[in-house]
Amino acid sequence: EAQVTQNPRYLITVTGKKLTVTCSQNMNHEYMSWYRQDPGLGLRQIYYSMNVEVTDKGDVPEGYKVSRKEKRNFPLILESPSPNQTSLYFCASSFISPTGAGEQYFGPGTRLTVT
Amino acid sequence: RKEVEQDPGPFNVPEGATVAFNCTYSNSASQSFFWYRQDCRKEPKLLMSVYSSGNEDGRFTAQLNRASQYISLLIRDSKLSDSATYLCVVTLTTGNQFYFGTGTSLTVIP
Repeated sequence: EAQVTQNPRYLITVTGKKLTVTCSQNMNHEYMSWYRQDPGLGLRQIYYSMNVEVTDKGDVPEGYKVSRKEKRNFPLILESPSPNQTSLYFCASSFISPTGAGEQYFGPGTRLTVT
Repeated sequence: RKEVEQDPGPFNVPEGATVAFNCTYSNSASQSFFWYRQDCRKEPKLLMSVYSSGNEDGRFTAQLNRASQYISLLIRDSKLSDSATYLCVVTLTTGNQFYFGTGTSLTVIP
């Protein structure tokens, strides 16, 4: 089954404790991206990647890191989480066409709470 | 200024009604346009891409007006299963950075 998986689905942590949210896709997509969703603000793009070893900042990259060492995986790293990073996080992937990334397939989401 | 703006609603309509959502975007260089659907606490899923000439998929019709910088979604013969939040999505010239609207909530009432 074609899918994007994220782990963990739920995480409660404390300020300053480094964490990683994993994302994996099995569709051989070149493009992968991370979003956060907050009430009243909608989905905002954190980072995206066009291919292995190619990553770019989205709209809200501060406080996050990513890496793309393999095509299928795109982990999101919070080196020192803070309460304002409490949010619902989505990973997504898509093929790239001549006009750019197309239909995005989203993972089920990771609900992160930082206390 | 937000890249994409939507009326949050909520829109409450009876079954069988026709409902329309609009979305405006601020950057005239915007390249690609989409409507996504998101059910409560679930991941967004593509409803349809929006093409310059407009496009239709069953009961759903999407239109793009580049001169006025807005896109629209028309849902005909609303079903209970159409109840969801509809997200307007725009990419800029590079086609790789996505901007989502905050979504419009639709509830279809029996």
